[in-house]
Amino acid sequence: GAGVSQSPSNKVTEKGKDVELRCDPISGHTALYWYRQRLGQGLEFLIYFQGNSAPDKSGLPSDRFSAERTGESVSTLTIQRTQQEDSAVYLCASSPLAFQPQHFGDGTRLSIL
Amino acid sequence: DAKTTQPPSMDCAEGRAANLPCNHSTISGNEYVYWYRQIHSQGPQYIIHGLKNNETNEMASLIITEDRKSSTLILPHATLRDTAVYYCIGETTTSGTYKYIFGTGTRLKVLA
Repeated sequence: GAGVSQSPSNKVTEKGKDVELRCDPISGHTALYWYRQRLGQGLEFLIYFQGNSAPDKSGLPSDRFSAERTGESVSTLTIQRTQQEDSAVYLCASSPLAFQPQHFGDGTRLSIL
Repeated sequence: DAKTTQPPSMDCAEGRAANLPCNHSTISGNEYVYWYRQIHSQGPQYIIHGLKNNETNEMASLIITEDRKSSTLILPHATLRDTAVYYCIGETTTSGTYKYIFGTGTRLKVLA
C-alpha cells in the first residue's frame, strides 16, 4: 500500500523484556515522527528524523527508549526493560519535508504484562 | 511552546456546521496551526493548516483570528462519519528543531 505501515499491530510482552517497533514510511518522505498515545489521552511527541538524523531526542521518555532510521526509510523504536507504564499505542508518521502535513500509520498497540 | 486549549467535547446535528474552537495564545509569528482528527483505533488524519490567512479545502475551513491567538475549524455539513477526536496543534520551533504539541483534543459527536 501507499500509506505508512507499522508492525506489529499488536504486541504483548512481559515486564522487563525488550521490544522493537517498526515503521515503514511513505516512499520519498524525508521526515519521520514517533508519538506515544496512552489510553484516552492525546499524542505525546517522542522524536523526529530528518533523513537518518534525529535533531532532537529530548522527547524520548527515558534512556530505555531509543530510535534509529536507516536508508532514509525504515525506522525502529526500541524500548529496553519494558515497564507497565510503557503500555500505549505507538504511532509513526511521515511527511515529504519536516513538518509538512503528516501521514500517520495506525500504530502498534503495546501491552506490558 | 505553542500550547493549545480546546473544549473536551461537542455535539453537532448531522447536516449542520460544526465549529470547533482552539486557543493558541503562545504561538509565535511564524508557527503554523494544524488540525488533525482521529477516528477510533486509527492514526490521526490531517485536515488543514494555516498561518495567518483563512484556509479552505475539500474537508474543512480554518478561520484564524487576526492576532493569531485562536482559530476555529469549520466542518460545513457534518456527517456521522465526522464523529472523531479533533486536535488543534501548534507547530513549535525550539533551538532550530521542530515539535508538534498535541493536546487532548475535542471529542465531536455528530448526532443523527
